[in-house]
Amino acid sequence: AQTVTQSQPEMSVQEAETVTLSCTYDTSENNYYLFWYKQPPSRQMILVIRQEAYKQQNATENRFSVNFQKAAKSFSLKISDSQLGDTAMYFCAFMKPPRYALNFGKGTSLLVTP
Amino acid sequence: NAGVTQTPKFRVLKTGQSMTLLCAQDMNHEYMYWYRQDPGMGLRLIHYSVGEGTTAKGEVPDGYNVSRLKKQNFLLGLESAAPSQTSVYFCASSTPEGVNTEAFFGQGTRLTVV
Repeated sequence: AQTVTQSQPEMSVQEAETVTLSCTYDTSENNYYLFWYKQPPSRQMILVIRQEAYKQQNATENRFSVNFQKAAKSFSLKISDSQLGDTAMYFCAFMKPPRYALNFGKGTSLLVTP
Repeated sequence: NAGVTQTPKFRVLKTGQSMTLLCAQDMNHEYMYWYRQDPGMGLRLIHYSVGEGTTAKGEVPDGYNVSRLKKQNFLLGLESAAPSQTSVYFCASSTPEGVNTEAFFGQGTRLTVV
């Protein structure tokens, strides 16, 4: 079974600063996907960024980028120029065929302060 | 632009009562999933379906049943609710699409069993 580990239960960052959230995973597969989802207090699950395992280039989405280290099975999320609206729970997740179900870490609660 | 819709959004049940949660998606997705979210546990897969008429167990299936009679709907049933089933339930759908592979979530159902 695949496991996803987020070692930081809570983090805090000041507005406009940069923060990195850690995620490691365990799998013997070669074909898989990795995701970061954001869950604000509204409870909605929002996709932040996605990475295909076969791609060596790290994914970026505006202020969000990942550091994907396939050999080390590490998938960290960097948030640049943090904004108050980034305050949320962040989940790292793993997906693979044939189920294409998401396997989630326990989450990191991020607080952005003024 | 409905996406994935869950009903109801909130529910309080007495121990031993039964209920059905409905998930509907309008994106013609083949795959559908039910997760539960508990504090400090992330989201865990209860059951899933890879197409109309098919269902399969996830990691925490005990006490739940599901049905997928129509492609757009995925029902989660609790036959005899227990306090341990107090949780937030999320439905999701997806279709593997290579670089666009993604799961779309409903807004969640908060269930309390007293």
